[in-house]
Amino acid sequence: EVQLVQSGPEVKKPGESLKISCRGSGYNFDTYWIDWVRQTPGKGLEWMGSIFPGDSDSKYSPSFQGQVTFSADESISTAYLQWSSLRASDTAIYFCTRTSTRGYDRWGQGTLVTVSS
Amino acid sequence: QSVLTQPPSVSGAPGQRVTISCTGSSSNIGAGYNVHWYQQLPGTAPKLVIYGNDNRPSGVPDRFSGSKSGTSASLAITGLQAEDEAVYYCQSYDRRLSVFGGGTKLTVL
Repeated sequence: EVQLVQSGPEVKKPGESLKISCRGSGYNFDTYWIDWVRQTPGKGLEWMGSIFPGDSDSKYSPSFQGQVTFSADESISTAYLQWSSLRASDTAIYFCTRTSTRGYDRWGQGTLVTVSS
Repeated sequence: QSVLTQPPSVSGAPGQRVTISCTGSSSNIGAGYNVHWYQQLPGTAPKLVIYGNDNRPSGVPDRFSGSKSGTSASLAITGLQAEDEAVYYCQSYDRRLSVFGGGTKLTVL
């Protein structure tokens, strides 16, 4: 069964760093793009960008360029989303998705990130 | 403001048919990019219900259908059921960057 499993909820203070993960299973992880999607409380979905685990080629939405960094370790079928300095406005649920020609056909369960002093 | 425009809400009684529109422009839907639709039940991750404009993934009831014309796309749900109450999002590409609609809350009366 194809699955994406994300790391658990995080509570951080402004200015702290954070790295969350997304582990794939049931398919060849390094042959599909992984996209990251943000959902702020009560709001819709925002595309942050994507990474190809096979060679770590990455694309960033202009809204998130320079604010976050994508990485991947294909040896453990895991993609990462990281911040070097969190802000309160980063409080949101973050989803990873598997990208295919059929759209985002698998989603992780989401990781809630809360940034508060 | 989303690149793809959806109505904030639609509603219908059980058994009825509803449609949700997704309006774009010549740089996204009108440029030939496919449109995909996702259903998000409360407290869960979105789930793909229509891909490639008008295709259903296995396991999605045939009550769900999609269409695309020009710079717009639509999701139709026939024989509404209580379990269809959710937020629906369209998604496509704009100059090779992924974009979502703002989402439509479907209420089953």
